[in-house]
Amino acid sequence: NAGVTQTPKFQVLKTGQSMTLQCAQDMNHEYMSWYRQDPGMGLRLIHYSVGAGITDQGEVPNGYNVSRSTTEDFPLRLLSAAPSQTSVYFCATQTSWGMGYEQYFGPGTRLTVT
Amino acid sequence: RKEVEQDPGPFNVPEGATVAFNCTYSNSASQSFFWYRQDCRKEPKLLMSVYSSGNEDGRFTAQLNRASQYISLLIRDSKLSDSATYLCVVNKAGANNLFFGTGTRLTVIP
Repeated sequence: NAGVTQTPKFQVLKTGQSMTLQCAQDMNHEYMSWYRQDPGMGLRLIHYSVGAGITDQGEVPNGYNVSRSTTEDFPLRLLSAAPSQTSVYFCATQTSWGMGYEQYFGPGTRLTVT
Repeated sequence: RKEVEQDPGPFNVPEGATVAFNCTYSNSASQSFFWYRQDCRKEPKLLMSVYSSGNEDGRFTAQLNRASQYISLLIRDSKLSDSATYLCVVNKAGANNLFFGTGTRLTVIP
C-alpha cells in the first residue's frame, strides 16, 4: 500500500498562474484534508472532506478550491497563485470523521510563488 | 491568543537525558489531544495520543492536565534518533478538526 501520495514534490509558480496539487490515498479513508505549514505558524487547515461529494472550509480557505469526486482523490486547486501561498502543503487522511483518530500525512508539496 | 502554544526550543540535550515539553491549549472544551513527531523536511507522524489518565509508550510519557489546560510529553533516556520537532495537537472544540502547535525542536547530542 502506498498510503497517502502527493504530487508534485516541488513546484515553482509565477504570480497569477494556476495549478492543482494532487493527493491520493489507497487506505479507503473517509476523511481527507489539506494543510499548509509555514514557519512559526504550525499546520493550518485549508479544506477538508468527510466523504466523496462533501467538502468544507478550514481555517485558511481563501485562494484555494477543492473537490472530492472519489474516495481516493482530493485535489487542491490554486486558481491564481500569490506569493503569500508559498508554503509546504500536506494532504492527510483519517479513518473516519470523528475525534481521536490518527491522521496520516502525505510527504508534502513544496510550493514557491514568485 | 493561539489555540495551541508550545515553546519552540530548541532543546539540545545529551544522549540519555530526560527532557520534557509542555503545551497549552486555549479552549477548555477540546477533547482530543495528540503528540506528533516531524522529522526535518518530512511529514508529521503520530507519536501518541494523550488520555486523561496519562499514558506511556516505552520511553515516552504523555500527561493531560485539564484544569490548567496543558499537555506534556516526557522523553526518558533520549536517543539520537529522537531528534525531531514535536507537535502538540488539539481538536477544535465541538468539531473534529485539529489545531497544531508550531512545534518544539529537540536535538539529542552524542
